[in-house]
Amino acid sequence: DTEVTQTPKHLVMGMTNKKSLKCEQHMGHRAMYWYKQKAKKPPELMFVYSYEKLSINESVPSRFSPECPNSSLLNLHLHALQPEDSALYLCASSQPRGGTEAFFGQGTRLTVV
Amino acid sequence: RKEVEQDPGPFNVPEGATVAFNCTYSNSASQSFFWYRQDCRKEPKLLMSVYSSGNEDGRFTAQLNRASQYISLLIRDSKLSDSATYLCVVPTGFQKLVFGTGTRLLVSP
Repeated sequence: DTEVTQTPKHLVMGMTNKKSLKCEQHMGHRAMYWYKQKAKKPPELMFVYSYEKLSINESVPSRFSPECPNSSLLNLHLHALQPEDSALYLCASSQPRGGTEAFFGQGTRLTVV
Repeated sequence: RKEVEQDPGPFNVPEGATVAFNCTYSNSASQSFFWYRQDCRKEPKLLMSVYSSGNEDGRFTAQLNRASQYISLLIRDSKLSDSATYLCVVPTGFQKLVFGTGTRLLVSP
């Protein structure tokens, strides 16, 4: 069983909607990540938070807005998405030092219509 | 050269077979390496971590060759339940994990 929990598991939204993806971990990790995964492709890094501060933004469009309210929670706010943004969005967490393994949540399967 | 490269497969093997996957990486400074398993429409799950020359866990063995910059994953006595995509992951830089494209394994009865 994963110790990283994501909600919702599935989301369908229109291009004018605003929605949020949520992620929670209770492993005491101080680094949290958002990845995007398209079918038959590996996960692509979007954002990294380290000690609740944004440390990496992989040039993600501003229609994706991350937020880390505390050490256990990570949100991804979505606004004015495009159909090509439909994908599996994965949250992960790890120890904050480099070179350590990350643990993934079950993902949110997002469909933009 | 890509940072992490894998043969995408698919590898089709019968139950009980031994199968090996290779993964090459470009950053010679990398110190740790991971194999993740991903089932269809599921999240990646950590299978093995490799910090030195290799690691073994039951039917799974990972080996690291730093001189040639590749990591291998060997699966012995394949089970139907081993069918999945195996992702080679190499940390590059601070907290950045780079994924290979994944190797798909299909184990048949």
